[in-house]
Amino acid sequence: AQTVTQSQPEMSVQEAETVTLSCTYDTSESDYYLFWYKQPPSRQMILVIRQEAYKQQNATENRFSVNFQKAAKSFSLKISDSQLGDAAMYFCAYRDSGGSNYKLTFGKGTLLTVNP
Amino acid sequence: NAGVTQTPKFQVLKTGQSMTLQCAQDMNHNSMYWYRQDPGMGLRLIYYSASEGTTDKGEVPNGYNVSRLNKREFSLRLESAAPSQTSVYFCASKGENSYNEQFFGPGTRLTVL
Repeated sequence: AQTVTQSQPEMSVQEAETVTLSCTYDTSESDYYLFWYKQPPSRQMILVIRQEAYKQQNATENRFSVNFQKAAKSFSLKISDSQLGDAAMYFCAYRDSGGSNYKLTFGKGTLLTVNP
Repeated sequence: NAGVTQTPKFQVLKTGQSMTLQCAQDMNHNSMYWYRQDPGMGLRLIYYSASEGTTDKGEVPNGYNVSRLNKREFSLRLESAAPSQTSVYFCASKGENSYNEQFFGPGTRLTVL
């Protein structure tokens, strides 16, 4: 079974600085999808960024970018120019490319604090 | 477009009581999911429905039943609530683009005393 590991239960960053959240996963599949979700105190799960395994180019969405290392099974999230609104729990998630259910497997999350 | 909606937002039950969590989506998605989130854990899949009329068990289905009433609605029922079912419950539906990403509702916080 696939597993997702987020080794940093908590991280903090100063406003306007850069922070990197780590995620590793275990799979025997060659094609799959990876996601980062943000969960602010409102509890809403918000998709931040996504990456398809066969695409070598790292995904970027404004201040959010990923470092996808397929051989190392690593998918880290970099937040540049951190803002107070970035404070949230961040979840890394994995999904197989096919299958009948498109089930997401989540890591346990990293709580990000942004200090003014 | 309301996206994925869930009712209620909060609920307190006594052990042994039953209740149904409601979920609806207006994005015309075929697949819908129920997850639970416990402290210090990511979301874990309870049940899913790949299409209207079909449902399948996920990772933690014990103590739950589901109904896919129509394409829009997917409900989760606790027949006899237990304190171990105290959790935050999320419903999601799956988009149909190449990423097939899931869109989540706002969650229901359930406490079982």
